[in-house]
Amino acid sequence: NAGVTQTPKFQVLKTGQSMTLQCAQDMNHEYMSWYRQDPGMGLRLIHYSVGAGITDQGEVPNGYNVSRSTTEDFPLRLLSAAPSQTSVYFCASRKGGRYEQYFGPGTRLTVT
Amino acid sequence: DAKTTQPTSMDCAEGRAANLPCNHSTISGNEYVYWYRQIHSQGPQYIIHGLKNNETNEMASLIITEDRKSSTLILPHATLRDTAVYYCIVRPANDYKLSFGAGTTVTVRA
Repeated sequence: NAGVTQTPKFQVLKTGQSMTLQCAQDMNHEYMSWYRQDPGMGLRLIHYSVGAGITDQGEVPNGYNVSRSTTEDFPLRLLSAAPSQTSVYFCASRKGGRYEQYFGPGTRLTVT
Repeated sequence: DAKTTQPTSMDCAEGRAANLPCNHSTISGNEYVYWYRQIHSQGPQYIIHGLKNNETNEMASLIITEDRKSSTLILPHATLRDTAVYYCIVRPANDYKLSFGAGTTVTVRA
């Protein structure tokens, strides 16, 4: 299993540009989520999904959209990038009935 | 509101046990204690979790006090690869969301 994969690893955007961060898992996990981590801080939940077709907001959802059309994929869309969205983004997945979450390697995003 | 309190940093000698404390004095009866760690530039990694009883797996042991207001994560034989930020998290079993605080930066020294 590849586990949780994220692309791209690095991205630089200009203010106002849009883009999609990709996340995929091959473990057939029902739950998927997106976190952001700013320098020196813990992770904050952006959006999460408990299954295909179902998404909900986390702590810091503004400026981000998600959709879950398949069990495997959970893309995160930045609608109009702002410098405040400069961060490292982590995707995670968990199987229903299990406690541990598996995290991807992260996408490092810089917005200038 | 912070649900857990951890020391900001701690050092440990390679080969010795590392004992990481966590206070969670407002923990509710249905909330579990989870530990994750994050090695530099990587995604967080699950270590262990528990409710009331002490737990052990191949990575670590978790000791929870009888009143459940604090716990200790024990890495039995720390190696240089255990240098990481360690997060103690409290959440209900049926709540999907994990809230990460600042954690404890553990540095294992040769």
